[in-house]
Amino acid sequence: SQQGEEDPQALSIQEGENATMNCSYKTSINNLQWYRQNSGRGLVHLILIRSNEREKHSGRLRVTLDTSKKSSSLLITASRAADTASYFCATERGGTSYGKLTFGQGTILTVHP
Amino acid sequence: DAGITQSPRHKVTETGTPVTLRCHQTENHRYMYWYRQDPGHGLRLIHYSYGVKDTDKGEVSDGYSVSRSKTEDFLLTLESATSSQTSVYFCAISQDRRSYGYTFGSGTRLTVV
Repeated sequence: SQQGEEDPQALSIQEGENATMNCSYKTSINNLQWYRQNSGRGLVHLILIRSNEREKHSGRLRVTLDTSKKSSSLLITASRAADTASYFCATERGGTSYGKLTFGQGTILTVHP
Repeated sequence: DAGITQSPRHKVTETGTPVTLRCHQTENHRYMYWYRQDPGHGLRLIHYSYGVKDTDKGEVSDGYSVSRSKTEDFLLTLESATSSQTSVYFCAISQDRRSYGYTFGSGTRLTVV
Protein backbone atom coordinates (compact mmCIF):
# COMPACT_ATOMS: atom_id res chain seq x y z
CA SER A 1 0.00 0.00 0.00
CA GLN A 2 1.14 3.54 -0.69
CA GLN A 3 2.40 5.57 2.23
CA GLY A 4 1.73 8.76 0.34
CA GLU A 5 -1.24 9.12 -1.96
CA GLU A 6 -1.80 12.26 -3.97
CA ASP A 7 -5.12 13.72 -4.94
CA PRO A 8 -6.15 14.55 -7.60
CA GLN A 9 -4.33 12.27 -10.01
CA ALA A 10 -4.50 14.97 -12.68
CA LEU A 11 -5.21 18.69 -12.57
CA SER A 12 -5.67 21.06 -15.50
CA ILE A 13 -5.77 24.82 -14.96
CA GLN A 14 -5.18 28.11 -16.75
CA GLU A 15 -2.09 30.23 -16.29
CA GLY A 16 -2.47 32.60 -13.37
CA GLU A 17 -4.77 30.29 -11.41
CA ASN A 18 -3.77 28.57 -8.19
CA ALA A 19 -3.14 24.82 -8.09
CA THR A 20 -3.75 22.74 -4.98
CA MET A 21 -2.60 19.16 -4.59
CA ASN A 22 -3.21 16.94 -1.59
CA CYS A 23 -1.31 14.06 -0.06
CA SER A 24 -2.44 11.55 2.54
CA TYR A 25 -0.29 9.07 4.39
CA LYS A 26 -0.79 6.24 6.83
CA THR A 27 1.97 6.09 9.45
CA SER A 28 3.75 8.58 11.68
CA ILE A 29 6.42 10.58 9.92
CA ASN A 30 9.55 12.62 10.60
CA ASN A 31 8.95 14.87 7.63
CA LEU A 32 7.06 15.19 4.37
CA GLN A 33 8.55 16.45 1.15
CA TRP A 34 7.29 17.56 -2.22
CA TYR A 35 9.07 16.95 -5.50
CA ARG A 36 8.49 18.00 -9.09
CA GLN A 37 9.26 15.90 -12.14
CA ASN A 38 9.27 17.30 -15.64
CA SER A 39 8.66 14.82 -18.42
CA GLY A 40 11.65 12.55 -18.98
CA ARG A 41 13.67 14.09 -16.16
CA GLY A 42 14.64 13.27 -12.60
CA LEU A 43 12.76 14.56 -9.59
CA VAL A 44 13.57 17.96 -8.13
CA HIS A 45 13.16 18.67 -4.43
CA LEU A 46 10.76 21.55 -3.78
CA ILE A 47 10.14 21.80 -0.07
CA LEU A 48 10.38 19.83 3.18
CA ILE A 49 8.08 20.23 6.17
CA ARG A 50 8.85 18.58 9.49
CA SER A 51 6.27 16.81 11.61
CA ASN A 52 6.28 19.63 14.18
CA GLU A 53 5.59 22.30 11.54
CA ARG A 54 2.17 23.23 10.23
CA GLU A 55 2.93 25.49 7.30
CA LYS A 56 5.89 26.43 5.16
CA HIS A 57 6.44 28.79 2.26
CA SER A 58 8.96 28.92 -0.55
CA GLY A 59 8.40 31.49 -3.27
CA ARG A 60 5.04 30.67 -4.88
CA LEU A 61 4.77 27.41 -2.96
CA ARG A 62 2.85 26.93 0.25
CA VAL A 63 2.79 23.60 2.04
CA THR A 64 0.61 22.67 4.98
CA LEU A 65 0.80 19.61 7.18
CA ASP A 66 -1.91 18.24 9.43
CA THR A 67 -0.48 15.32 11.38
CA SER A 68 -3.79 14.62 13.10
CA LYS A 69 -5.37 13.96 9.70
CA LYS A 70 -2.16 12.55 8.23
CA SER A 71 -2.43 14.86 5.27
CA SER A 72 -0.56 17.61 3.49
CA SER A 73 -1.35 20.06 0.73
CA LEU A 74 0.82 21.86 -1.80
CA LEU A 75 -0.44 25.16 -3.15
CA ILE A 76 1.17 26.76 -6.19
CA THR A 77 0.01 30.34 -6.56
CA ALA A 78 -0.21 32.26 -9.83
CA SER A 79 0.71 29.21 -11.86
CA ARG A 80 2.74 29.40 -15.05
CA ALA A 81 2.98 27.13 -18.07
CA ALA A 82 6.46 26.17 -16.81
CA ASP A 83 4.83 24.64 -13.71
CA THR A 84 3.45 21.86 -15.91
CA ALA A 85 4.92 18.70 -14.40
CA SER A 86 4.16 15.78 -12.11
CA TYR A 87 4.24 16.50 -8.40
CA PHE A 88 5.02 13.87 -5.79
CA CYS A 89 4.79 13.84 -2.05
CA ALA A 90 7.24 11.69 -0.12
CA THR A 91 7.32 10.78 3.53
CA GLU A 92 10.16 9.87 5.83
CA ARG A 93 8.85 7.59 8.52
CA GLY A 94 9.91 7.75 12.13
CA GLY A 95 12.67 5.62 13.64
CA THR A 96 15.95 4.52 12.08
CA SER A 97 14.79 5.00 8.53
CA TYR A 98 18.17 6.31 7.28
CA GLY A 99 16.31 9.00 5.42
CA LYS A 100 14.38 6.54 3.29
CA LEU A 101 11.51 8.20 1.51
CA THR A 102 8.27 6.60 0.40
CA PHE A 103 6.72 8.28 -2.63
CA GLY A 104 3.14 8.57 -3.75
CA GLN A 105 2.04 8.09 -7.34
CA GLY A 106 1.93 11.78 -8.09
CA THR A 107 -0.37 14.46 -9.45
CA ILE A 108 -0.01 15.47 -13.09
CA LEU A 109 -0.43 19.23 -13.34
CA THR A 110 -1.08 20.88 -16.69
CA VAL A 111 -1.05 24.66 -16.86
CA HIS A 112 -2.49 26.07 -20.08
CA PRO A 113 -1.09 29.37 -21.40
CA ASP B 1 21.59 17.23 -12.15
CA ALA B 2 24.90 18.68 -11.14
CA GLY B 3 26.79 16.42 -8.76
CA ILE B 4 25.10 13.16 -9.65
CA THR B 5 25.28 11.24 -12.90
CA GLN B 6 23.77 7.96 -13.99
CA SER B 7 25.06 5.71 -16.72
CA PRO B 8 23.99 4.51 -19.14
CA ARG B 9 21.01 6.79 -19.88
CA HIS B 10 19.34 4.15 -22.02
CA LYS B 11 19.89 0.43 -22.32
CA VAL B 12 18.20 -2.44 -24.11
CA THR B 13 19.15 -5.89 -22.93
CA GLU B 14 17.99 -9.45 -23.39
CA THR B 15 16.18 -11.54 -20.81
CA GLY B 16 18.58 -13.52 -18.65
CA THR B 17 21.59 -11.27 -19.05
CA PRO B 18 23.19 -9.42 -16.14
CA VAL B 19 23.04 -5.63 -16.22
CA THR B 20 24.85 -3.06 -14.10
CA LEU B 21 23.74 0.52 -13.72
CA ARG B 22 26.07 3.09 -12.28
CA CYS B 23 25.43 6.10 -10.09
CA HIS B 24 28.28 8.53 -9.53
CA GLN B 25 28.23 11.53 -7.20
CA THR B 26 30.67 14.33 -6.57
CA GLU B 27 28.89 15.73 -3.48
CA ASN B 28 30.47 13.40 -0.91
CA HIS B 29 27.00 12.59 0.43
CA ARG B 30 26.77 9.62 2.74
CA TYR B 31 23.39 8.27 1.67
CA MET B 32 22.58 6.87 -1.76
CA TYR B 33 19.40 5.24 -3.03
CA TRP B 34 18.15 3.33 -6.04
CA TYR B 35 14.49 3.67 -7.03
CA ARG B 36 12.50 2.37 -9.94
CA GLN B 37 9.62 4.28 -11.45
CA ASP B 38 6.73 2.53 -13.14
CA PRO B 39 3.32 3.78 -14.23
CA GLY B 40 0.76 3.18 -11.51
CA HIS B 41 3.40 2.52 -8.86
CA GLY B 42 5.22 5.79 -8.46
CA LEU B 43 8.79 5.43 -7.21
CA ARG B 44 9.71 2.35 -5.24
CA LEU B 45 12.91 1.86 -3.26
CA ILE B 46 15.13 -0.99 -4.43
CA HIS B 47 18.25 -0.66 -2.26
CA TYR B 48 19.98 2.04 -0.32
CA SER B 49 23.39 2.72 1.18
CA TYR B 50 24.33 4.55 4.35
CA GLY B 51 28.07 4.39 3.81
CA VAL B 52 30.85 2.56 2.04
CA LYS B 53 30.10 -1.16 2.09
CA ASP B 54 26.92 -0.47 4.10
CA THR B 55 23.81 -1.30 2.11
CA ASP B 56 20.34 -2.59 2.80
CA LYS B 57 17.23 -3.71 0.98
CA GLY B 58 14.25 -1.61 0.05
CA GLU B 59 10.72 -2.72 -0.73
CA VAL B 60 11.39 -4.23 -4.19
CA SER B 61 14.88 -5.72 -3.86
CA ASP B 62 14.28 -9.20 -5.30
CA GLY B 63 16.42 -9.74 -8.39
CA TYR B 64 18.70 -6.80 -7.62
CA SER B 65 21.99 -6.42 -5.84
CA VAL B 66 24.09 -3.37 -5.06
CA SER B 67 27.63 -2.49 -4.19
CA ARG B 68 29.31 0.58 -2.82
CA SER B 69 33.09 0.31 -2.61
CA LYS B 70 33.67 4.07 -2.75
CA THR B 71 31.69 7.00 -1.41
CA GLU B 72 31.06 8.33 -4.90
CA ASP B 73 29.83 5.19 -6.66
CA PHE B 74 26.71 3.08 -6.09
CA LEU B 75 26.17 0.23 -8.51
CA LEU B 76 22.89 -1.55 -9.14
CA THR B 77 23.07 -5.01 -10.71
CA LEU B 78 20.22 -6.98 -12.20
CA GLU B 79 21.54 -10.46 -11.77
CA SER B 80 19.45 -12.00 -14.55
CA ALA B 81 17.25 -9.42 -16.23
CA THR B 82 13.54 -10.14 -16.67
CA SER B 83 10.87 -8.25 -18.60
CA SER B 84 9.32 -7.14 -15.29
CA GLN B 85 12.48 -5.16 -14.65
CA THR B 86 11.81 -2.93 -17.63
CA SER B 87 11.58 0.43 -15.93
CA VAL B 88 13.17 3.81 -15.38
CA TYR B 89 15.79 3.65 -12.63
CA PHE B 90 16.70 6.66 -10.56
CA CYS B 91 19.59 7.15 -8.23
CA ALA B 92 19.34 9.71 -5.44
CA ILE B 93 21.69 11.09 -2.82
CA SER B 94 21.13 12.85 0.47
CA GLN B 95 23.31 14.61 2.94
CA ASP B 96 22.30 13.04 6.26
CA ARG B 97 19.88 10.59 7.84
CA ARG B 98 17.18 13.16 8.42
CA SER B 99 16.97 13.56 4.66
CA TYR B 100 17.14 17.25 3.92
CA GLY B 101 15.84 16.53 0.47
CA TYR B 102 17.17 14.15 -2.12
CA THR B 103 19.07 15.08 -5.25
CA PHE B 104 18.09 12.83 -8.10
CA GLY B 105 19.97 11.72 -11.15
CA SER B 106 18.44 11.96 -14.61
CA GLY B 107 17.53 8.30 -14.70
CA THR B 108 18.32 5.21 -16.76
CA ARG B 109 15.64 3.84 -19.03
CA LEU B 110 16.09 0.07 -19.14
CA THR B 111 14.24 -2.17 -21.55
CA VAL B 112 14.46 -5.94 -21.19
CA VAL B 113 13.40 -7.80 -24.32
